[in-house]
Amino acid sequence: DAGVIQSPRHEVTEMGQEVTLRCKPISGHNSLFWYRQTMMRGLELLIYFNNNVPIDDSGMPEDRFSAKMPNASFSTLKIQPSEPRDSAVYFCASSLYEIRSGANYGYTFGSGTRLTVV
Amino acid sequence: DAKTTQPPSMDCAEGRAANLPCNHSTISGNEYVYWYRQIHSQGPQYIIHGLKNNETNEMASLIITEDRKSSTLILPHATLRDTAVYYCIVRVAWRGSTLGRLYFGRGTQLTVWP
Repeated sequence: DAGVIQSPRHEVTEMGQEVTLRCKPISGHNSLFWYRQTMMRGLELLIYFNNNVPIDDSGMPEDRFSAKMPNASFSTLKIQPSEPRDSAVYFCASSLYEIRSGANYGYTFGSGTRLTVV
Repeated sequence: DAKTTQPPSMDCAEGRAANLPCNHSTISGNEYVYWYRQIHSQGPQYIIHGLKNNETNEMASLIITEDRKSSTLILPHATLRDTAVYYCIVRVAWRGSTLGRLYFGRGTQLTVWP
């Protein structure tokens, strides 16, 4: 299993540009999470999906951020327009949640995308 | 949401047991305790989780007190590669279901020295 795959690993962009981060979750996982990590704020949950449906996006900082999950094997996090304060490492994670049993197995994180907005 | 409290840093000699404490005094009955770690510049890695019983796997042991207000993660024989930030997290229930999101605090920076 290749794990959770994120791309790109590094992104440097100019302020005002659109940035798209990509994530491929582990096959068979039905929950997907986007996190952001900075020195100041630590790891913050931005949004999470269950069965491709956004469940809670209360962590999305503002309207410049949007996330989609068109199918079970792909998700994107888009920032438009980007600002220097968006510079951070963005992690995607996936997990398997069994509705019937209520069991929720450990989350698997990707390696992250380091975004720098200049 | 249940909060957790961890010491900001600890150190441990290589080969010795590392015992990382966590307080979660407001934990509710259906909330699990999860432990993750993050090695520098990598994504967080799942270690172990439990509800009320002690748990053990190939990585670590989790000891949860009877009142569930605190827990301890034990790395029985710490190695240099165990140097990382360790996060203790209480999983939050959402809308009565057990699907929950994980909130990470600041964790404990564990440094294992030779």
